[in-house]
Amino acid sequence: DVKVTQSSRYLVKRTGEKVFLECVQDMDHENMFWYRQDPGLGLRLIYFSYDVKMKEKGDIPEGYSVSREKKERFSLILESASTNQTSMYLCASRWQGQQPQHFGDGTRLSIL
Amino acid sequence: QKEVEQNSGPLSVPEGAIASLNCTYSDRGSQSFFWYRQYSGKSPELIMFIYSNGDKEDGRFTAQLNKASQYVSLLIRDSQPSDSATYLCAVNPIGSGNTPLVFGKGTRLSVIA
Repeated sequence: DVKVTQSSRYLVKRTGEKVFLECVQDMDHENMFWYRQDPGLGLRLIYFSYDVKMKEKGDIPEGYSVSREKKERFSLILESASTNQTSMYLCASRWQGQQPQHFGDGTRLSIL
Repeated sequence: QKEVEQNSGPLSVPEGAIASLNCTYSDRGSQSFFWYRQYSGKSPELIMFIYSNGDKEDGRFTAQLNKASQYVSLLIRDSQPSDSATYLCAVNPIGSGNTPLVFGKGTRLSVIA
C-alpha cells in the first residue's frame, strides 16, 4: 500500500510565523502535490512537483513556497503565516501515467 | 480551464437503496477517472478508478464511464449509513503522467437508517 505521511495532524501557529509542513511518500512517486481544502471551496492546488528540485504553481500559490530536495519529501512553506491560511492542508503523491493520487491524512493548521 | 462538475447535494437515500452520484468533465481528451470518498475531517480515499467506456464493478460499487457524453458516475448498491460521506470525482485531463488530477467539489451523500 502507498503511504503518504504528513508530519502533523494538528498545528497551531501565530500570525507572521514561518510555517513548515512536511510530507513523505514511500512509493518512489515522481509527482507530489499540496492542496488546501476549505468548506464549500473543494480541493485547491497550491503547488506540485514532478521531479526533485522541480516545482510548478497551482491555482493558489500566493503566500506559499515549496521545496523538494529529495524524491520522497515535499515541503510546503508558509513564509509569513496569516489568519486566512487557516485550513486543512493535504499532501498527495502519484506515479506517472494513468495512476491515481494518494493522499496523506492531512494537517489541520490554525493561524492565530 | 478544465472543469469537473458535481452536484453538491446533499443526496439523501434510505438504507439499502442504490445511491447514484454523477460527474461531468469538460476536457474531451481525458483518459482516466477516479472516485474518492472523504469522511468529515478526514482525507480523500480512493475507492474506484475507470479508464474505458462502460461499467466497472467492485463489490457494492460500480463506476460507469461515457466518454462521448463526458460523464462518469458512481453507483453504490445496498447503501449503508457508513457510506455517508462526500464523494469526489477526479479526472486526469490530458492523459499526461505529470499533470495534477482535476477534482470536482464533491457530492455529499447521506444514507438514512
